[in-house]
Amino acid sequence: DAGVIQSPRHEVTEMGQEVTLRCKPISGHNSLFWYRQTMMRGLELLIYFNNNVPIDDSGMPEDRFSAKMPNASFSTLKIQPSEPRDSAVYFCASSSTGGYNTEAFFGQGTRLTVV
Amino acid sequence: QKEVEQDPGPLSVPEGAIVSLNCTYSNSAFQYFMWYRQYSRKGPELLMYTYSSGNKEDGRFTAQVDKSSKYISLFIRDSQPSDSATYLCAMKPGNNRKLIWGLGTSLAVNP
Repeated sequence: DAGVIQSPRHEVTEMGQEVTLRCKPISGHNSLFWYRQTMMRGLELLIYFNNNVPIDDSGMPEDRFSAKMPNASFSTLKIQPSEPRDSAVYFCASSSTGGYNTEAFFGQGTRLTVV
Repeated sequence: QKEVEQDPGPLSVPEGAIVSLNCTYSNSAFQYFMWYRQYSRKGPELLMYTYSSGNKEDGRFTAQVDKSSKYISLFIRDSQPSDSATYLCAMKPGNNRKLIWGLGTSLAVNP
């Protein structure tokens, strides 16, 4: 298996622009997580899906952030409008059991820079 | 005070040294304790997983949990340059709860 695939790997955008991050989880996994990682705050869980349904979005910072999972093999995280403080590495992870499973497999991340 | 505290380092050791990485926490309800390894420009990968107190060994790696002191450790024996990475601790109170992460400790093992 190719693992969790994220695209793009790097994104540089101007403040105010819309940004869409994409994730393909490992086939057969039914839980998907979006994380954000910064030096100051470390890894933060943004949202968690189980069987394509959002279960916990309490970590989504504000209404500018939205996430969708239209099917078991694809998810998006959208930021509109983007701000410089959104600059971070965004990780998608998937796991094969329900709940906040311990063994989540992470993608390589998308490094977002908002200028 | 953060729920999970971890010294960010960096920690630099010679090849073959024993490395000790630590985290402290404040929530006595934490029961599940994990160590993840993150190489530069990669996502974290699960290294060790411990439930409740005690030790767990896997090859050159040993994870210890001391719940009375709210302190967890990861020991790496005979460290190798390939162990150079950031090590993140993570923990949660129950299996169906989200992980709380440390900020990570950067380790460099020098040949």
